[in-house]
Amino acid sequence: QLLLQESGPGLVKPSETLSLTCFVSGGSINSPFDFWAWIRQSPGKGLEWITTVSYDGTTYFNPSLKSRVTISADTSNTHFSLELRSVTNADTSVYYCAKYRANIHLFDSWGQGIPVTVSS
Amino acid sequence: FMLTQPHSVSESPGKTVIISCTRSSGGIGSNFVQWYQQRPGRAPTPLIYEHVHRPSGVPDRFSASIDRSSGSASLTISGLQAEDEADYYCQSHDGSSWVFGGGTKLTVL
Repeated sequence: QLLLQESGPGLVKPSETLSLTCFVSGGSINSPFDFWAWIRQSPGKGLEWITTVSYDGTTYFNPSLKSRVTISADTSNTHFSLELRSVTNADTSVYYCAKYRANIHLFDSWGQGIPVTVSS
Repeated sequence: FMLTQPHSVSESPGKTVIISCTRSSGGIGSNFVQWYQQRPGRAPTPLIYEHVHRPSGVPDRFSASIDRSSGSASLTISGLQAEDEADYYCQSHDGSSWVFGGGTKLTVL
């Protein structure tokens, strides 16, 4: 069974960079049908897609966050990462990593989520 | 494009509830719609993919459809149970962006 686990700091200062890693076990991130994504949820709010990387390294970004986001995948070590630069209080959220199964258009596996607070 | 859902719905146990998801532009059938359930404090779990299909393990009390004339997708939950109380999200993808609806809070009375 595929498991995804987010890792990173729970507290980041305003204007700094948030860096998160999603470790994938029980499977490979090299599958041609699988994309890998970051999704967040602000307190009491809905889900917001941030970014996705495909098996061939193609990246996709939420236009509202594109200028501050980097996503990368390390296929040899089975993890992928998110960088969100110049964070503000508005970036306080639970961050989820997820696998998008492209052949059925579904985020079919999710990490448990990691809460991140932006505060000085 | 945006996906609009009602903020909340409520119904009694054993009844049926329908949650709508309306696409702002481009036609609801232009791209597949998926549905997710999120219980409090938990990660979302998939319920429906490609408009109408249930992943393995999802009870057949959950079903979905689209109505191209109204531009909406709908999630139907029949035989409501207390455990169905959760937030429900629709989601679609236009080839370069993934979009979630704002979510609907289902209260089982």
